[in-house]
Amino acid sequence: QVQLQESGPGLVKPSQTLSLTCTVARGSTNTAAYYWNWIRQPAGKGLEWIGRIYPSGNTYYNPSLQSRASMTIDTSNNQFSLNLDSVTAADTAVYYCARGALVRGAYYYGFDVWGQGTTVTVSS
Amino acid sequence: DIQMTQSPSSVSASVGDRVTITCRASQGVSRWLAWYQQKPGKAPKLLINAASSLQSGVPSRFSGSGSGTDFTLTITSLQPEDFATYYCQQANSFPFTFGPGTKVDIK
Repeated sequence: QVQLQESGPGLVKPSQTLSLTCTVARGSTNTAAYYWNWIRQPAGKGLEWIGRIYPSGNTYYNPSLQSRASMTIDTSNNQFSLNLDSVTAADTAVYYCARGALVRGAYYYGFDVWGQGTTVTVSS
Repeated sequence: DIQMTQSPSSVSASVGDRVTITCRASQGVSRWLAWYQQKPGKAPKLLINAASSLQSGVPSRFSGSGSGTDFTLTITSLQPEDFATYYCQQANSFPFTFGPGTKVDIK
């Protein structure tokens, strides 16, 4: 059973960079069958998809983040990471990493495996 | 971006009730629509993929239907463990977007 685990600082100062890593256990990131995602959820609010990365390193980010997000993948260590620049209090949220399945290499299923989430607070 | 709406925003129901949640997309998403269940303090759990495909291990009292812009999640015979918030999510085009959620609580 594949498991995902987020790690990173729980407190980030305003204007700094939020950096998180997702480690994939009992599975591989280096498969064309899946894509890897970051999703966040402010306390008491809904879910916001941040972006996705393929094993090749190809990325897509939510334009709502105004080019502040970047993702990388390390298939040799089965990890993928998120950097979010110039954070403000509005970036305070629970951050989840999640796996999605690719359908026929071109279409997307939803997120079938999630990490437990990590709370990141932006505060001085 | 494709905007997702859900109705109702909350519903009070009793064990054994049938509950129907509607999700609407601002433009067609074909059948690339997923449903999730989230309990407090937990990550969302995928219930249904591709509008109507039940994930392995999900009880058969959950079902999904629809295509294009209008979708439905139905829970027949609500169980105590089903009290949660439910989200729809479109996976047809980037950026992927979620509905605002429907909270199912105990009447």
